[in-house]
Amino acid sequence: EVQLVESGGGLVQPGGSLRLSCAPSGFTFSSYWMHWVRQAPGKGLVWVSRINTDGSTTTYADSVKGRFTISRDNAKNTLYLQMNSLTVEDTAVYYCARAMLAGNPAQDYWGQGTLVTVSS
Amino acid sequence: QSALTQPASVSGSPGQSITISCTGTSSDVGGHNYVSWYQHHPGKAPQLMIYDVTSRPSGVSNRFSGSKSGNTASLTISGLQAEDEADYYCSSFTIRSTYVFGTGTKVTVL
Repeated sequence: EVQLVESGGGLVQPGGSLRLSCAPSGFTFSSYWMHWVRQAPGKGLVWVSRINTDGSTTTYADSVKGRFTISRDNAKNTLYLQMNSLTVEDTAVYYCARAMLAGNPAQDYWGQGTLVTVSS
Repeated sequence: QSALTQPASVSGSPGQSITISCTGTSSDVGGHNYVSWYQHHPGKAPQLMIYDVTSRPSGVSNRFSGSKSGNTASLTISGLQAEDEADYYCSSFTIRSTYVFGTGTKVTVL
């Protein structure tokens, strides 16, 4: 069974940093592109970032470019999102999601999410 | 990148059909066929319902169907059931190799 479990969320002050992790299971992690998507309280889903299978290609939403870094460790079977210079607008539930095989960008499996709260 | 435009809410009675629209631009929805739809029950993981405009993943009911015309994609739910009550989001790949979600639609089963 495919599972994705996010961790690392919590309360952080504006300007602070946080690193999220996503632990996949039930599939060959190194064969899939991966995404981060977030949802602010009471708002809709917003795409954040994606990474290819070996980590050599990354893409970001304009709202996080230069502040967030997506990475992966295929040996440790883990996806990361390093978040720096956090603002209150970054408060959200962060989901990791798997992209379908064969380069299809649709996200076919999602985790339950981890809550990040940016507040003083 | 602005969010794709969806109606805030759509409702229907059990057994009826409803359609949710998703309007973008030629830079996203109208530019290719990488349009997806997701069902999201609050507090749970989103679920992929439609990909590549019209394709259904294994396990998704054939009551869900997708289509596209120009810059607008649509999700139709036929034979509406109580369990279909949820938030629905469209998503599209863009010409900048990024992704954009829709504003979301709350489906209510009357």
